[in-house]
Amino acid sequence: EVQLVESGGDLVQPGGSLRLSCVVSGFDFSTSWMHWVRQVPGKGLMWVSRIKNDDSGASYADSVRGRFTISRDNAKNTLYLQMNSLRADDTAVYYCVRDFYFTIDYWGRGTLVTVSS
Amino acid sequence: DVVMTQTPLSSPVSLGQPASISCRSSQGLLHRDGNTYLSWFQQRPGQPPRLIIKRVSNRLSGVPDRFIGSGAGTDFTLKISTVEAEDVGLYYCMQGTKFPYTFGQGTMLEIK
Repeated sequence: EVQLVESGGDLVQPGGSLRLSCVVSGFDFSTSWMHWVRQVPGKGLMWVSRIKNDDSGASYADSVRGRFTISRDNAKNTLYLQMNSLRADDTAVYYCVRDFYFTIDYWGRGTLVTVSS
Repeated sequence: DVVMTQTPLSSPVSLGQPASISCRSSQGLLHRDGNTYLSWFQQRPGQPPRLIIKRVSNRLSGVPDRFIGSGAGTDFTLKISTVEAEDVGLYYCMQGTKFPYTFGQGTMLEIK
């Protein structure tokens, strides 16, 4: 059974930092490109970041570039998102997802990040 | 980035009736490899999105055949031939032809 389990979401003050983690099982993580996608509660979906299977080729949405860093540990089947200089508009549910031939086939259940004073 | 525009944003439908959602892209979605990477996702209340159709019209395993995807170029449609209660939720189109992937705003399907 495929599972993607995110963790690390929390309430944080503006300017603060968080590190999200996503542990995956049920598919070959080491050969999979992975993304983070976020969803403001009650709103739509926005792509945040992507990383290739070999930890290269990290890409970011303009709104998070320079503040967020995606990484992975293939030995631990884990994807990360380091989020610094958080702003109120970063408040969202963050999903860990798998890339599959130019689409997204697997989604985690998400972890909620709330940025508020 | 490619802008994806869905209409309508809300679709009240009676059970057993058809529903249709339109998705229009700001650029053509034909990839240089000859495929068109337009996907549809269903998001039921309280759940993450679920891929139901990829490459315009290919239903995923387990997706009922009442879900029909069509289109080409910049204009795409998701049709539900006869709406059932379990179909309530949000529907998103997403393009994967040009990076970064971009999503439509979402269409809420609700029962009248």
